[in-house]
Amino acid sequence: DAKTTQPPSMDCAEGRAANLPCNHSTISGNEYVYWYRQIHSQGPQYIIHGLKNNETNEMASLIITEDRKSSTLILPHATLRDTAVYYCIVRVATGGYQKVTFGTGTKLQVIP
Amino acid sequence: NAGVMQNPRHLVRRRGQEARLRCSPMKGHSHVYWYRQLPEEGLKFMVYLQKENIIDESGMPKERFSAEFPKEGPSILRIQQVVRGDSAAYFCASSPQADRNYGYTFGSGTRLTVV
Repeated sequence: DAKTTQPPSMDCAEGRAANLPCNHSTISGNEYVYWYRQIHSQGPQYIIHGLKNNETNEMASLIITEDRKSSTLILPHATLRDTAVYYCIVRVATGGYQKVTFGTGTKLQVIP
Repeated sequence: NAGVMQNPRHLVRRRGQEARLRCSPMKGHSHVYWYRQLPEEGLKFMVYLQKENIIDESGMPKERFSAEFPKEGPSILRIQQVVRGDSAAYFCASSPQADRNYGYTFGSGTRLTVV
């Protein structure tokens, strides 16, 4: 799996958009970008994933650059409950074994 | 549709005792993954199992740790002769057999404290 680089921490004002960046410059053509988050002491929660097109679901939007070397997770209206560690992961999504390796993530603090 | 169920939520063991952690995957999921999270650290992969098979145990310590996922019943992570350094949160995740496009579903974890 390709290595990812994320800032260790970020702050965001409540109600504003939180934009979490991730660099994955060595990503392969068949690797997807996945985002998970871990709210304090809870199990990680899957958020969203994508290959090359931008994706949106009820939780967030994922913007992947055209060269696929970086991506941004967007929480459109951050709330205090979005305070968590956010993990960006790249991995193959089809065929064979699919181990998920977590890095250190970005600790997002949503401020009232 | 219940999610991934882990029990117990909290487990206290004295040094030298055995710890048994249980994980019931989501209905229809036949792939189980165990992760360990030491205090103030990230998640570390331990082992990946399918029914009755260990697929990847590259993250599991060679001694005292074992895992199984029998044909019937939950997956079990077993730690023999626990030491203080085993104190951590242990998370289990599951995924469907065929569909690999939705990521893992994690349980709420078991917090092991060794005293």
